[in-house]
Amino acid sequence: GQSLEQPSEVTAVEGAIVQINCTYQTSGFYGLSWYQQHDGGAPTFLSYNGLDGLEETGRFSSFLSRSDSYGYLLLQELQMKDSASYFCAVRRAAGNKLTFGGGTRVLVKP
Amino acid sequence: EPEVTQTPSHQVTQMGQEVILRCVPISNHLYFYWYRQILGQKVEFLVSFYNNEISEKSEIFDDQFSVERPDGSNFTLKIRSTKLEDSAMYFCAWPGAGTTLGYTFGSGTRLTVV
Repeated sequence: GQSLEQPSEVTAVEGAIVQINCTYQTSGFYGLSWYQQHDGGAPTFLSYNGLDGLEETGRFSSFLSRSDSYGYLLLQELQMKDSASYFCAVRRAAGNKLTFGGGTRVLVKP
Repeated sequence: EPEVTQTPSHQVTQMGQEVILRCVPISNHLYFYWYRQILGQKVEFLVSFYNNEISEKSEIFDDQFSVERPDGSNFTLKIRSTKLEDSAMYFCAWPGAGTTLGYTFGSGTRLTVV
C-alpha cells in the first residue's frame, strides 16, 4: 500500500518561514507534488519534484530525497493569504493517479 | 481559478437517491480523474478514466459508482443509491502537459446526503 505522513498543523507569523515535511512509503514512486487548498476551495498545484533536489517557485520551494522517501515544502515570507491546507501527493509510475497525504493546516498570524 | 466547471456546485439529496455530478473541461484530455474529500480529511482517489475507459479504481468506487463521457466533452460521476457517508466534496481533475506540471482540479461539487 501507500502512506504519506505530514504534520497536521503549523502556526507562524507573517514574514516567517515554514517547512512542511512529508515522508512517504510507496512502490513505483515517480514524483512528489504539493498542493494548496483554501477552505471551501479546490486543491491548486504548487510544486513537483521528480528528481532529488530543490525546486524553487517564487516564495515556495520544494525538496525531495528519494533515498530517504522524504520531501518538504518551504514557505518563505509568509503572508496572511498563505493560511490554507497544504497536501503532499505521490505520483506513481504506473498510471497517473495521485495519492494524497493528510494535509497540513498552516495558520498565519499577524 | 479552476479552468473546469463542475455542476452542481452544491447538491443536497436524500439517502438512496441517485445523483449525477458533471464536469466540463475546457481542453480535451485523455486522462481524467474523480477524487473526493470528506470534510476536514484528505483528498481520496476514486477512479481514473483513460481514452473513454476506466483504467483504475479505488476500493471506494464500488458498484454504486459509475463514470461516463456521454457526449465527448462532459464527464459525469453517478452515484446510484447515495449513502450518508457519500457526503463529501467531489472533484474532477486531470494532469497537465508533461510530467512536471501539476494536476488541475475542478471547482468541486459539495454533495450532502440527508
